[in-house]
Amino acid sequence: DTGVSQDPRHKITKRGQNVTFRCDPISEHNRLYWYRQTLGQGPEFLTYFQNEAQLEKSRLLSDRFSAERPKGSFSTLEIQRTEQGDSAMYLCASSSWGRTQETQYFGPGTRLLVL
Amino acid sequence: DQQVKQNSPSLSVQEGRISILNCDYTNSMFDYFLWYKKYPAEGPTFLISISSIKDKNEDGRFTVFLNKSAKHLSLHIVPSQPGDSAVYFCAASEGGGTASKLTFGTGTRLQVTL
Repeated sequence: DTGVSQDPRHKITKRGQNVTFRCDPISEHNRLYWYRQTLGQGPEFLTYFQNEAQLEKSRLLSDRFSAERPKGSFSTLEIQRTEQGDSAMYLCASSSWGRTQETQYFGPGTRLLVL
Repeated sequence: DQQVKQNSPSLSVQEGRISILNCDYTNSMFDYFLWYKKYPAEGPTFLISISSIKDKNEDGRFTVFLNKSAKHLSLHIVPSQPGDSAVYFCAASEGGGTASKLTFGTGTRLQVTL
């Protein structure tokens, strides 16, 4: 069990560019979550998947954000036409849901800076 | 609308003493509460949780107390150790236990001094 991994760890981009982040969950975890954390705040829920199905999206998630989990394993989060307000730490977490419900385990995050 | 509030941004405690971190919530539909610890440059790490049907849960040095009527929970760390210095987040979920989406507070930075 190698834990939740995220790539890249840091990303600097110019306003208007598109960025994509990847999250690899703990193997056999069927739920995967994306959160965003800005300075001085706690993580805010963005969206989550159960297997490949996206079950919920936050009102915070504008149309410029899209997330996928095509094979129910890794997930990608894409931000189109980035804005300076998108600068934040993007956290991924995974857990299992079924006969037992496990706690969410978080990855180290991807820190995005939009110039 | 901040549904989970941690009103103390920071707390300093001497090594060996008790640390008490507080959290208030407004959503009466929350039925599971968790505490996470976060070190710089790392993701949050789960510490302890409590269901709304309980009023206390203990795990080693960590105890969480829940007062549903006051919509308040607290985390007690006894004895506090320097390695406990981190940011602590209170979180809550509505249905689905700990595998449901979480609503976090803004965090309390704990510093344990020698």
